[in-house]
Amino acid sequence: GAGVSQTPSNKVTEKGKYVELRCDPISGHTALYWYRQSLGQGPEFLIYFQGTGAADDSGLPNDRFFAVRPEGSVSTLKIQRTERGDSAVYLCASSYRGAGANVLTFGAGSRLTVL
Amino acid sequence: KQEVTQIPAALSVPEGENLVLNCSFTDSAIYNLQWFRQDPGKGLTSLLLIQSSQREQTSGRLNASLDKSSGRSTLYIAASQPGDSATYLCAVRRTNAGKSTFGDGTTLTVKP
Repeated sequence: GAGVSQTPSNKVTEKGKYVELRCDPISGHTALYWYRQSLGQGPEFLIYFQGTGAADDSGLPNDRFFAVRPEGSVSTLKIQRTERGDSAVYLCASSYRGAGANVLTFGAGSRLTVL
Repeated sequence: KQEVTQIPAALSVPEGENLVLNCSFTDSAIYNLQWFRQDPGKGLTSLLLIQSSQREQTSGRLNASLDKSSGRSTLYIAASQPGDSATYLCAVRRTNAGKSTFGDGTTLTVKP
């Protein structure tokens, strides 16, 4: 697609529930990133995919968080047993890995509220 | 561990002023540095990207500079307009395709 698409744009859930957030990157972008942003702060890295594999998952806060990218395009961030502290905007970005600038392009984000 | 700091956290200027936003980072071994703009409730929009081998990049009224050895970058905005009001974030990347580390941003308000 023309840009990075994230769904849902807004998700309200109850503590303890399971949540999935989806990211559809720019066509042809091999690298895909998930970040989390809390109010008043910069984005915090969660995980980075190169193709289908997670090249760096060092930012995932605990084992309740998991992400997949089975066909090297769309990615899903999965959060189990949600907690109120998981409330944040989850941002997805993609870039083309090759010679050159590797500009990061972000989606509009998915705002997660855990009640 | 890379740390990125942006000072000031907030800035208010009258329309027409030229202004400079600052970004400092602790580890000078970077691949590139990217400046973003974020409007309230929105995602990040890329403004400028500077490769580690470059000293500056320009786009319209924006000019970004990079001094790797001192761990600093500045974003210069000429002739500011109310439409420039937003939060400006800088991000540094250590490798070709690895993660980026962000500052917490500077929130700019340009008053008409």
